[in-house]
Amino acid sequence: DGGITQSPKYLFRKEGQNVTLSCEQNLNHDAMYWYRQDPGQGLRLIYYSQIVNDFQKGDIAEGYSVSREKKESFPLTVTSAQKNPTAFYLCASTGGQGNTEAFFGQGTRLTVV
Amino acid sequence: AQSVTQLGSHVSVSEGALVLLRCNYSSSVPPYLFWYVQYPNQGLQLLLKYTSAATLVKGINGFEAEFKKSETSFHLTKPSAHMSDAAEYFCAVWGYFGNEKLTFGTGTRLTIIP
Repeated sequence: DGGITQSPKYLFRKEGQNVTLSCEQNLNHDAMYWYRQDPGQGLRLIYYSQIVNDFQKGDIAEGYSVSREKKESFPLTVTSAQKNPTAFYLCASTGGQGNTEAFFGQGTRLTVV
Repeated sequence: AQSVTQLGSHVSVSEGALVLLRCNYSSSVPPYLFWYVQYPNQGLQLLLKYTSAATLVKGINGFEAEFKKSETSFHLTKPSAHMSDAAEYFCAVWGYFGNEKLTFGTGTRLTIIP
């Protein structure tokens, strides 16, 4: 079945460490997105990519980095510069070119210990 | 830029009662609007979407929403609440003109009282 796979589901990070969250899709979608979810704040966009080898900052990109070397994959790295990384992270994709329905992964919960 | 505002971060209704979750939008062009549902520790699932066709949109699980341009609203309703409807609901709007992405409201947590 087509869909989006995020891994791991739970991730623990020590302060000062970088960690990478995986997002893979087999929907043949052009565009992919990373959102951060905190209680009471909804979903805030971190980065998005509309085509391979191109990506744009969202509303809260500081302390994060991404790459889009393959259409299927859009990994997110949470760097040590992100001062409050504990959150639920969601990856999504859309077909692009006017196809606006977003499909979401099951999320990764990151906790700093 | 397009945006949405959800009124009420928490809504409680009795089982069998009407569910009404409010969403107002801001957009200088005809918007594409969405409602998503999220169960605990899961991703989001599309309930329904408005893309400038019929103003009354029917979705999954008995939910529907009506687009009202005069009120800039896109409220979500369900005639009779079920225990399984307990979840968080997000309204979202699609951006245009180099801003092609979804912008979400802050969410409404729906609690069903038995």
